[in-house]
Amino acid sequence: SAVISQKPSRDICQRGTSLTIQCQVDSQVTMMFWYRQQPGQSLTLIATANQGSEATYESGFVIDKFPISRPNLTFSTLTVSNMSPEDSSIYLCSVETGTGAETQYFGPGTRLLVL
Amino acid sequence: GENVEQHPSTLSVQEGDSAVIKCTYSDSASNYFPWYKQELGKGPQLIIDIRSNVGEKKDQRIAVTLNKTAKHFSLHITETQPEDSAVYFCAASNGGGYSTLTFGKGTMLLVSP
Repeated sequence: SAVISQKPSRDICQRGTSLTIQCQVDSQVTMMFWYRQQPGQSLTLIATANQGSEATYESGFVIDKFPISRPNLTFSTLTVSNMSPEDSSIYLCSVETGTGAETQYFGPGTRLLVL
Repeated sequence: GENVEQHPSTLSVQEGDSAVIKCTYSDSASNYFPWYKQELGKGPQLIIDIRSNVGEKKDQRIAVTLNKTAKHFSLHITETQPEDSAVYFCAASNGGGYSTLTFGKGTMLLVSP
């Protein structure tokens, strides 16, 4: 497994502003993922962040709204841009450690409330 | 794309009873099926997973079964305890060079003492 931390753990933001969420892993990993979990809902994949290449976004998510950086094999950021109340969610990062294909481990999440 | 259905959405049991959560998937190419437990205020925790070359896997009080023909898999928890209370998610992945997980909608399990 892997130890994953996220910052901030929670935040309250005003509409129209942007928030950058950080994800740090204690070991080098190839694949990192960003998910959104709306209140009481399941997990929806936003994008896959690969080191050295642009992120791959899922249908319904665009780079202008959710820019992602992946500067090295242990760190990634997700920015939620020009926020609206509909962006209020839990944002989760996960990693594939490579010990078993597709096995993903999740961070604790960032709880975002947009007013 | 893949679609994962999960039932029931809520499940209430008495401590010591067994609990079963069922999922079906649509993509016959899916070959990896993890289960996650999410406690309030925390991220999902991987509790058990199974691959398509195995029909059943057990880890202490939890077990997962897979029926590839019927395209369904189930989580079984025996001798439930109050600390098992959480939301459980199933997921499916089709592997390959670019594989992603598709999650079910979750089951809220409540174990009453």
